[in-house]
Amino acid sequence: DTAVSQTPKYLVTQMGNDKSIKCEQNLGHDTMYWYKQDSKKFLKIMFSYNNKELIINETVPNRFSPKSPDKAHLNLHINSLELGDSAVYFCASSPPARKNEQYFGPGTRLTVT
Amino acid sequence: AQKITQTQPGMFVQEKEAVTLDCTYDTSDPSYGLFWYKQPSSGEMIFLIYQGSYDQQNATEGRYSLNFQKARKSANLVISASQLGDSAMYFCAMRENRDTGNQFYFGTGTSLTVIP
Repeated sequence: DTAVSQTPKYLVTQMGNDKSIKCEQNLGHDTMYWYKQDSKKFLKIMFSYNNKELIINETVPNRFSPKSPDKAHLNLHINSLELGDSAVYFCASSPPARKNEQYFGPGTRLTVT
Repeated sequence: AQKITQTQPGMFVQEKEAVTLDCTYDTSDPSYGLFWYKQPSSGEMIFLIYQGSYDQQNATEGRYSLNFQKARKSANLVISASQLGDSAMYFCAMRENRDTGNQFYFGTGTSLTVIP
C-alpha cells in the first residue's frame, strides 16, 4: 500500500532514555514533517525536510533531532527523554508543487514514565 | 495572538443535516494557505480541503466546502449531508509562506458528533 508509515505505533520508556521514531513514505513526496500532538489535542509542527534539507525548525529542544537518510525517510531521534515529551508524534509528507496537501502517518504514542 | 482560533470545542449535528465549523485566522502575510483536517477516534489525521489566499473561489471537495471570507479572516468548514462517520475532531490550520520556509499553525480543534 502506498502510504506514510511510522514505527513504532506505541512507545513506552523511562525518563532519561534515548529513543527514535521512524517514518517512511512511498508516495514519492519531497517534503516530510514531524508534528507533536499534546494531551489537549493541540498540534504543533516540529520539523520539515525538503530534499534532505531542513527548512523549518520550530523552537523545539535540541534533544529532538530529525534525521533523513533519504527522501523517503524522516526519523525523529529524542535524547534524554522527559515527562513532558509524552505525546502523539505524527509524521507527514507532501508532494512536489502541492505543499497544500499533507498526508499524515498513523502517529506514534510516546509515553515517558 | 492566536494564529488559528476555533471557538467551538464541541458540536452536534443531526445525520443528513449540514454543519459549519468555525475557524478564524490571524496573519499579516499576503500569501498563505488554509487547511482543514479530520481526526477520527482512531487517531489518524486526514487532509480534507485547502484554500489559498489568492484563490478567487471557495474550495470544495465532495461534501466539504470551505467558506473563505478574506476580509473577515475566516475559513469555516461546511459539511453537507452529515454522516455518522463524520464524527471526529476537526482541525483548522494555516500555512504562512516565509523566506526560510513554511510555518504551519493549527487550531485547538472542534469535536463533531453526528447524531442518528
